Amino acid sequence: GIQVEQSPPDLILQEGANSTLRCNFSDSVNNLQWFHQNPWGQLINLFYIPSGTKQNGRLSATTVATERYSLLYISSSQTTDSGVYFCAPGSGGGADGLTFGKGTHLIIQP
Amino acid sequence: KAGVTQTPRYLIKTRGQQVTLSCSPISGHRSVSWYQQTPGQGLQFLFEYFSETQRNKGNFPGRFSGRQFSNSRSEMNVSTLELGDSALYLCASSWTFRGETQYFGPGTRLLVL
Repeated sequence: GIQVEQSPPDLILQEGANSTLRCNFSDSVNNLQWFHQNPWGQLINLFYIPSGTKQNGRLSATTVATERYSLLYISSSQTTDSGVYFCAPGSGGGADGLTFGKGTHLIIQP
Repeated sequence: KAGVTQTPRYLIKTRGQQVTLSCSPISGHRSVSWYQQTPGQGLQFLFEYFSETQRNKGNFPGRFSGRQFSNSRSEMNVSTLELGDSALYLCASSWTFRGETQYFGPGTRLLVL
């Protein structure tokens, strides 16, 4: 199955800072999603981005499928951005569902 | 439009018992996937259903099973519970099968004593 590596594993920032989270994956994918898991466990879909660039407010994401990585950018961080960010690629035709990385645990301090 | 709902939200069972968890997808979505999240193993795919048929299954023992009904609602069952089954069980729905945006429910927290 697909191997997924996310970095950094932990990140502590002050409110207002910018950050870049990285996701490397081992195989070709036709599905890649970024999720934010809040402290109550809810996984919130941020982007469906198997390739290209998308932006949504202070968040944007870029996937370079040919080089097998994806980046999530968070600008002007707020305390509500705290939580765990997961990258989850999928091969579509495989039998493994979405494969989740171990996540980046982000803490935004006021 | 209502999101994915899961019931119950919290559950405490003892070893050897069985448990059934329920998931109602977003209206119109026909695919439901289940995932298990534990501190040690992270998020792992359990299985996926589409039009009442299991399309894919992850690497879990046969004690884990599921089904999907004609209204796309899905249930998963774990028999002969073990301590290691304590986890957050998440279900996700999408229009068709994987390869598009999946929307997750709030999860069911299962504690096995």
